[in-house]
Amino acid sequence: AQSVTQPDIHITVSEGASLELRCNYSYGATPYLFWYVQSPGQGLQLLLKYFSGDTLVQGIKGFEAEFKRSQSSFNLRKPSVHWSDAAEYFCAVGARTGANNLFFGTGTRLTVIP
Amino acid sequence: DVKVTQSSRYLVKRTGEKVFLECVQDMDHENMFWYRQDPGLGLRLIYFSYDVKMKEKGDIPEGYSVSREKKERFSLILESASTNQTSMYLCASSLPGTGGWELFFGSGTQLSVL
Repeated sequence: AQSVTQPDIHITVSEGASLELRCNYSYGATPYLFWYVQSPGQGLQLLLKYFSGDTLVQGIKGFEAEFKRSQSSFNLRKPSVHWSDAAEYFCAVGARTGANNLFFGTGTRLTVIP
Repeated sequence: DVKVTQSSRYLVKRTGEKVFLECVQDMDHENMFWYRQDPGLGLRLIYFSYDVKMKEKGDIPEGYSVSREKKERFSLILESASTNQTSMYLCASSLPGTGGWELFFGSGTQLSVL
């Protein structure tokens, strides 16, 4: 069975600083990988996804993530954080059998200070 | 824009009550899901449905049931609410096939069982 680890529960960054959120997964085959964002009082929204091909994927809102098979990681990055990026971020790994086999990490809460 | 609407943002119920959580999506999606979100545990799948009249158990179905009489509506039922079912409940929908990996979430229902 697959699993996802987000080692950072809470991260604080200054506005304009760069951001990297860590995600490690466990899965026996090549997984589908996702990052979702949850703004306060909202449901989750897909930021980006990796199925195959180029290991650096671009998403919405200026985010990108890199799949590193050797490290079983799919870290999320943004070069310059905006105050509106304050939210909770969830990494997820999917088995190719179907969307019901999508497992979410426990989330990383991002605080942005002026 | 895809809209997934959950009928209540906050709900307070008493132990033993029968509780209905309603979810409606307006984009003709085949797939629908119910998750619960708890701090430190991430999202866990309760039930899912890939078609009208079809329903399958997810990872934590105990104490819950679902109904999908129409394509756009997916209801979660707590037959006899208990305090350990106090949680945030999130409904999601998606297209079939590879498009099914982008889940569109509702804003959630925060259920408190007293």
